[in-house]
Amino acid sequence: DGGITQSPKYLFRKEGQNVTLSCEQNLNHDAMYWYRQDPGQGLRLIYYSQIVNDFQKGDIAEGYSVSREKKESFPLTVTSAQKNPTAFYLCASQSSPNYGYTFGSGTRLTVV
Amino acid sequence: EDQVTQSPEALRLQEGESSSLNCSYTVSGLRGLFWYRQDPGKGPEFLFTLYSAGEEKEKERLKATLTKKESFLHITAPKPEDSATYLCAVQAGNNFNKFYFGSGTKLNVKP
Repeated sequence: DGGITQSPKYLFRKEGQNVTLSCEQNLNHDAMYWYRQDPGQGLRLIYYSQIVNDFQKGDIAEGYSVSREKKESFPLTVTSAQKNPTAFYLCASQSSPNYGYTFGSGTRLTVV
Repeated sequence: EDQVTQSPEALRLQEGESSSLNCSYTVSGLRGLFWYRQDPGKGPEFLFTLYSAGEEKEKERLKATLTKKESFLHITAPKPEDSATYLCAVQAGNNFNKFYFGSGTKLNVKP
């Protein structure tokens, strides 16, 4: 079955450490997105990519970085510059601009 | 400022008790309004897209409607398995990659 796979499901980060969240899709979608979800808030856009080797900052890109070397993969790195990284991170893809997203199952990141 | 507001924040219903969830928006140039269902600890699941005022979509016990200022998600005779958080998102303007998400309505249906 086609879909989006996020890993790991749970991730713990120490202070000053960079961590990378994986997102892989086999839907042949061009556009991919990273969102952050915090309790009581709407999803906030971190980064998005419309094609391979190209990506754009979203509303809250500071402290995060991405790459898009393959159509299927869009990993997100949470750097030590992100001061409040504890959140639920969602990866999504989109088949066409006016269509809804297909989301992954999320990664819960906790700072320890 | 473009904004999406969902109400109520939480809703408790008895099984079979119909109700509606609201999503109001203030955006310029609406392109589409999207409803998602999210179960705890999981990613949102797409339900409906509405593109113009007057449009309606149905799926099982759910019916979504759209006006120029808001959308309603009507739940008819809900069952406990309908318990979830329902998210609304709006796509607007010239940036097709920009979606404005509401903070969701958490629905709890008691047997």
